[in-house]
Formats: sequence, C-alpha cells, structure tokens
Amino acid sequence: AQSVAQPEDQVNVAEGNPLTVKCTYSVSGNPYLFWYVQYPNRGLQFLLKYITGDNLVKGSYGFEAEFNKSQTSFHLKKPSALVSDSALYFCAVRDAGNNRKLIWGLGTSLAVNP
Amino acid sequence: DVKVTQSSRYLVKRTGEKVFLECVQDMDHENMFWYRQDPGLGLRLIYFSYDVKMKEKGDIPEGYSVSREKKERFSLILESASTNQTSMYLCASIIGQGAEGYTFGSGTRLTVV
Repeated sequence: AQSVAQPEDQVNVAEGNPLTVKCTYSVSGNPYLFWYVQYPNRGLQFLLKYITGDNLVKGSYGFEAEFNKSQTSFHLKKPSALVSDSALYFCAVRDAGNNRKLIWGLGTSLAVNP
Repeated sequence: DVKVTQSSRYLVKRTGEKVFLECVQDMDHENMFWYRQDPGLGLRLIYFSYDVKMKEKGDIPEGYSVSREKKERFSLILESASTNQTSMYLCASIIGQGAEGYTFGSGTRLTVV
C-alpha cells in the first residue's frame, strides 16, 4: 500500500539552529515528492518538489530537501531556523495509481523558539 | 500566479442546514479537489473533479456532494450539516498530471452548531 509517514508530530528547535523535518514514503515506481507549509488558519503553500535529477532540492524560504532512494526518505531541512518558520509541514507523494492525486503525511508541527 | 479562492474564511451553520462551499480558480486548471483537515487526521480527500460535470469520490464522501458546472468553479455541498462536519475545508487545483503540485485556497473553517 502507498503511504507517507512523518514520524514526528512536533519538532522544536532554537532560532538559528539547523532544522530537519522527516518524511518517509512507500510508493511503486519513481516517486514525485512534495513539501507544503501551512501557517495558522491558512491554506497550504507549496515549498518544493522532487521529480528527478539532483537529490538535493532547493525551495522557497531557504528550505531544501534531500531525496534518498535507498532509505525512501525525503527530509526537509533548513540551515538556520527562524521564528517565522513555525508552522505545520506536510509531506506528500503522488499516487502511482492516479497521477492527479497526492498521498499525504499527517503533518509535523515545527516550533522555532527565540 | 494561480489563485484559488474560497468564498468564505469562516462560516457558522446550524445542524440540518444545507451548506455550500465555493471554490474558484483562475488559471484554467482541469483538476480540482476538496479536502477536509482535522487535528491528528491530516488531509482527507472528499471529492475531486477532472473536468466540467464530472466528479469522483475521494476517501470520505459520505454526507457531501459536489458540483462542477464551469471549469473554474468547484462547489462542495453539505446536504444536511451535522456537528461532525465541523472542520477546516480546503480546495485545491492542479494542471495536467500533477507534476507541478497543488495550489490551495486559504481554507474555510466551518463550525456546525
């Protein structure tokens, strides 16, 4: 069965420190992977995606993600966290059986402490 | 930039009312989706549509219906609102086969009392 796991419900990090939000996936074939961010009472905003090519993908707001095929992971990273990065982060993979649909993780709440 | 607009940010309705949630996108996307978001449950797909007048059930269609009379507009209908439909509702659209990812609206927080 296809799935996305975000093993941490919450991540806490001090401002200025590096941050990592973890995501692992299970899907047949080559995965199309996405990260989205949601600020309080707002819709989701696209951060970055991996389709093919370089395993390190750069996205909006200084975020990047590393695709690791052997570990079936797509962790979101940022070298230096900001308080304004505090939000809910969702990982998703395109459904191999229906390309238009995404399979979502349950989300990870990131809290960056000043 | 593609814009997906949901007509209401906050809505309070009474149990048993018929509720319409409207979503409009301005970039000629074929595909539109309705999700609900609840704490601890993530995003759950209610219905989606690939073209005008077509619709497909998602994972939790019970108690909902949809309408897509025009390409740019996708409406979610709660036939008889119940308190367990209190939730954040998110509309999204994509072009083609989804390689570009979804564009979301700002969401409608619906409270059924």
